[in-house]
Amino acid sequence: AQSVTQLGSHVSVSEGALVLLRCNYSSSVPPYLFWYVQYPNQGLQLLLKYTSAATLVKGINGFEAEFKKSETSFHLTKPSAHMSDAAEYFCAVRSGSEKLVFGKGTKLTVNP
Amino acid sequence: DAGITQSPRHKVTETGTPVTLRCHQTENHRYMYWYRQDPGHGLRLIHYSYGVKDTDKGEVSDGYSVSRSKTEDFLLTLESATSSQTSVYFCAISESGTWNSPLHFGNGTRLTVT
Repeated sequence: AQSVTQLGSHVSVSEGALVLLRCNYSSSVPPYLFWYVQYPNQGLQLLLKYTSAATLVKGINGFEAEFKKSETSFHLTKPSAHMSDAAEYFCAVRSGSEKLVFGKGTKLTVNP
Repeated sequence: DAGITQSPRHKVTETGTPVTLRCHQTENHRYMYWYRQDPGHGLRLIHYSYGVKDTDKGEVSDGYSVSRSKTEDFLLTLESATSSQTSVYFCAISESGTWNSPLHFGNGTRLTVT
């Protein structure tokens, strides 16, 4: 069975600082991985997805994620946080014929 | 933004009453999903549909039923609402069921069962 674990339910950074949101997955077959962002009172929006074509995936709003098979990780990063990045971020995994499974989310706070 | 409309956006209902939530899409996508979002649980799949009249259960389907009589509409019914069904419900759509077909979400329905 597949699963995803997001380390840290809350992350706080200063504006301009590096953003690092952690995601580890478990899958018995090659996984497909996604990051979604949710702004207050809105649905989820796709940030980026791992397609197996490249281990470093670039997404919208300056975010990127690196797939590391040896570490079963797909951490999300952004070099410099903006106030507008404050939101909740969800990692999700899908493998084989399984349906998409979401992590429990990490709420990002950006301090001025 | 994907054309997904959820209605109502907010609803308060009493325990034991039936409730129907509606999801309407204008994208002509084949797949539609209902999720619930609860603090500490992320999003959990309730039911999904892979075509008109074709539906299947997700991981938290007990107490819920769905119907899809048209491509554009996917209804979620709480047969007899309970307080544990207080949640935010999201509809999502995808063009296909393949792994690389992303989900597009509506803005949610906040349901409170008193």
